[in-house]
Amino acid sequence: GQNIDQPTEMTATEGAIVQINCTYQTSGFNGLFWYQQHAGEAPTFLSYNVLDGLEEKGRFSSFLSRSKGYSYLLLKELQMKDSASYLCAESGSARQLTFGSGTQLTVLP
Amino acid sequence: ETGVTQTPRHLVMGMTNKKSLKCEQHLGHNAMYWYKQSAKKPLELMFVYSLEERVENNSVPSRFSPECPNSSHLFLHLHTLQPEDSALYLCASSRNPQETQYFGPGTRLLVL
Repeated sequence: GQNIDQPTEMTATEGAIVQINCTYQTSGFNGLFWYQQHAGEAPTFLSYNVLDGLEEKGRFSSFLSRSKGYSYLLLKELQMKDSASYLCAESGSARQLTFGSGTQLTVLP
Repeated sequence: ETGVTQTPRHLVMGMTNKKSLKCEQHLGHNAMYWYKQSAKKPLELMFVYSLEERVENNSVPSRFSPECPNSSHLFLHLHTLQPEDSALYLCASSRNPQETQYFGPGTRLLVL
């Protein structure tokens, strides 16, 4: 959506680390979600941040800075199966999620 | 994961047809959603139902008509669609609005 900004495409190498950034408007903020979507499939939930700081879940971590309206998704030890679109979504005061356009990540061998 | 199911998975229809998309969730959630996903565009929220009442309708054309007969089922009735309505239609559910949403596999719709 127009309030969410994330890069359109990123490329990384298998085994590497990649950081996908997301900025959002801070008014009425209630939480920040990250979803993964493989081509032709449904988005699947990865993480949720409502407080500042880093949330780690296996190879994936998500960071939030509420004052800066900024989040990132960190993927470690990249695998080929991590090639997908990564969607940043903000939960706002309207009780709905506003999605970014997604970042298409390509992992190369 | 089959918590949220959608049928049909693929649909081709003419502009004068009437069809319905079905969504069912087996997660005991109270909120259900319809989204439209077009190529190169963000997910667009169409409708939100909470406890079977419609709480959001984001300026969706009347040729799309939702129905939520109970908290487990959600329908999207389609009539006199336009070619630009061709897209992936995703259903999602959550325990309550603003909580984590879980998506179905989607219906790939082509309007000729």
